[in-house]
Amino acid sequence: EAQVTQNPRYLITVTGKKLTVTCSQNMNHEYMSWYRQDPGLGLRQIYYSMNVEVTDKGDVPEGYKVSRKEKRNFPLILESPSPNQTSLYFCASSLIGTGYTDTQYFGPGTRLTVL
Amino acid sequence: SQQGEEDPQALSIQEGENATMNCSYKTSINNLQWYRQNSGRGLVHLILIRSNEREKHSGRLRVTLDTSKKSSSLLITASRAADTASYFCATDAGGTSYGKLTFGQGTILTVHP
Repeated sequence: EAQVTQNPRYLITVTGKKLTVTCSQNMNHEYMSWYRQDPGLGLRQIYYSMNVEVTDKGDVPEGYKVSRKEKRNFPLILESPSPNQTSLYFCASSLIGTGYTDTQYFGPGTRLTVL
Repeated sequence: SQQGEEDPQALSIQEGENATMNCSYKTSINNLQWYRQNSGRGLVHLILIRSNEREKHSGRLRVTLDTSKKSSSLLITASRAADTASYFCATDAGGTSYGKLTFGQGTILTVHP
């Protein structure tokens, strides 16, 4: 089944404790992206990757790191989480065309609480 | 304000009625996409419309795009209670912003049985 998986689905942690949220897709998509969703703010893009070893900042990259060592995986790293990073996080992937991204396939989401 | 903004923020209708949601954006785009989200779950793609297209249909969904007004609309005909969800538009600006997707804040649709 074509899908994007994220782990963990739920995470409660404390300020400053490094964490990684994994994202994996099995559709051989070049493009992958991370978003956070907060009430009243919609989805905001954190980082995206056009292909292996290529990553770029989205609208809200501060406090996050990503890496793209393999095509299928795009982990999101919070080196020193803070309470303002409490949010619902989504990973997505898609094919890309010449100068545009295509339909985004979303993971189920990771609900992160930083105390 | 954000690139994609939906209007209205909330819409409440009866089953069988049509629901129309609008999305406005500020810069030129390569394509515009509509997504649905059931409460707290992942987003599901509905329709992608390219900048050179004016209208697209998929089942009970109809999307229009007016690039001169920088706006799009999503029409759901003969709505059902199962259509209750949040609906988001997302714009891909392309060009130097290739890969940057901007989502609106969404329209919350409630369909009463």
